[in-house]
Amino acid sequence: DIQMTQSPSTLSASVGDRVTLTCRASQSINSWVAWYQQQPGKAPKLLIYKASSLESGVPSRFSGSASGTEFTLTISSLQPDDFATYYCQHYDTYPYTFGQGTKLEIK
Amino acid sequence: EVQLVESGGGLVQPGGSLRLSCAASGFSFIRIAMGWVRQAPGKGLEWVSTISGSGGSTYYTDSVKGRFTISRDNSRNTLNLQMNSLRAEDTAVYYCAKHLDYGGKQYFDHWGQGTLVTVSS
Repeated sequence: DIQMTQSPSTLSASVGDRVTLTCRASQSINSWVAWYQQQPGKAPKLLIYKASSLESGVPSRFSGSASGTEFTLTISSLQPDDFATYYCQHYDTYPYTFGQGTKLEIK
Repeated sequence: EVQLVESGGGLVQPGGSLRLSCAASGFSFIRIAMGWVRQAPGKGLEWVSTISGSGGSTYYTDSVKGRFTISRDNSRNTLNLQMNSLRAEDTAVYYCAKHLDYGGKQYFDHWGQGTLVTVSS
């Protein structure tokens, strides 16, 4: 099975900061990666698909990129609503797997 | 507007069974693969199962193979998950999720609000 490893597990930042979250796949997945945001007690929300394609309605401060088996989610200027947990997920082959999540906290 | 509404969660004893359902609306259900993702209390997300639009293809994570069965009723726009031989480690919020096909691969673009399954004596 393909493993997805996210780093860091927790990130403390302030409103207005630029932050980058990382996800590494254990093998090539051809950029078949999605990123989700989850607020406490809520369902996940799709942000990015195919590593860098922004889902309709998602603010442009969110962006994704890929380099080999390393994938990044960047938030250019943190807003109060962005403090949440973020998950990457590959969908190249079954079984799909998620990263363990990065919790973005207010500093 | 896409809506996914799960039902059927609850408290069940180890070894017991439970059937989850997900009522879908706002899209052409029969054309779309659907799946279940779970989240144990305080833990991350885990893909559980996916079924193709026709229902002819199903996929499961190893830990539920032989115990869980995913199915769908395209006449009623409903997705189901029959869970048998339940274990304490199956305790989680179960989310129904809609796939979107892009380039022959399918990611989740909409999620329901989830239903809690608790396996405990």
